[in-house]
Amino acid sequence: KAGVTQTPRYLIKTRGQQVTLSCSPISGHRSVSWYQQTPGQGLQFLFEYFSETQRNKGNFPGRFSGRQFSNSRSEMNVSTLELGDSALYLCASSPELASFGELFFGEGSRLTVL
Amino acid sequence: GEDVEQSLFLSVREGDSSVINCTYTDSSSTYLYWYKQEPGAGLQLLTYIFSNMDMKQDQRLTVLLNKKDKHLSLRIADTQTGDSAIYFCAESGDQTGANNLFFGTGTRLTVIP
Repeated sequence: KAGVTQTPRYLIKTRGQQVTLSCSPISGHRSVSWYQQTPGQGLQFLFEYFSETQRNKGNFPGRFSGRQFSNSRSEMNVSTLELGDSALYLCASSPELASFGELFFGEGSRLTVL
Repeated sequence: GEDVEQSLFLSVREGDSSVINCTYTDSSSTYLYWYKQEPGAGLQLLTYIFSNMDMKQDQRLTVLLNKKDKHLSLRIADTQTGDSAIYFCAESGDQTGANNLFFGTGTRLTVIP
């Protein structure tokens, strides 16, 4: 069974630009969560989607948004990029909404903002 | 809010036991977890413990939970070089079954051959 696939793996943007990251969950998984990982802040929860609806949201500004499609694939978007948005963005999938933390992570998309 | 703390680094010799410690703040957390992150990879769930348990053993891994002190530990017996990675403690917070976990900063385990 294929794992969680994130694209692109690496990207470089400049301040003020926007970026879209993609996540394909494990086949059959319906919940997709996004996390931001930085050396200073560690792993922080961004949001979770289930059945195309955002179910939970972390404490991030409105520049961070996401969506989920009918096939459970998810995208997240960051607009008006800032230097502090440089991070590894991790996507995780799980079979159902309440899967008690059994998250299956992708390898992440490493974003560098110059 | 939830706050999970871990020491940043741990070095052990191959064959020794490793003990990684974690403290958390949310006493209502239903589950506590240990995840492992190898270089260039995402996180992998190692084990988890339900909050009404004191201990859980799974092959070389032993998880101890002291709910009174809000202290969680992961013991790896007979540590191998392949165990070198970053280990994250995480709690579920007060939202039972939610997938928004609160992670610690991670402990980088280095195993010396």
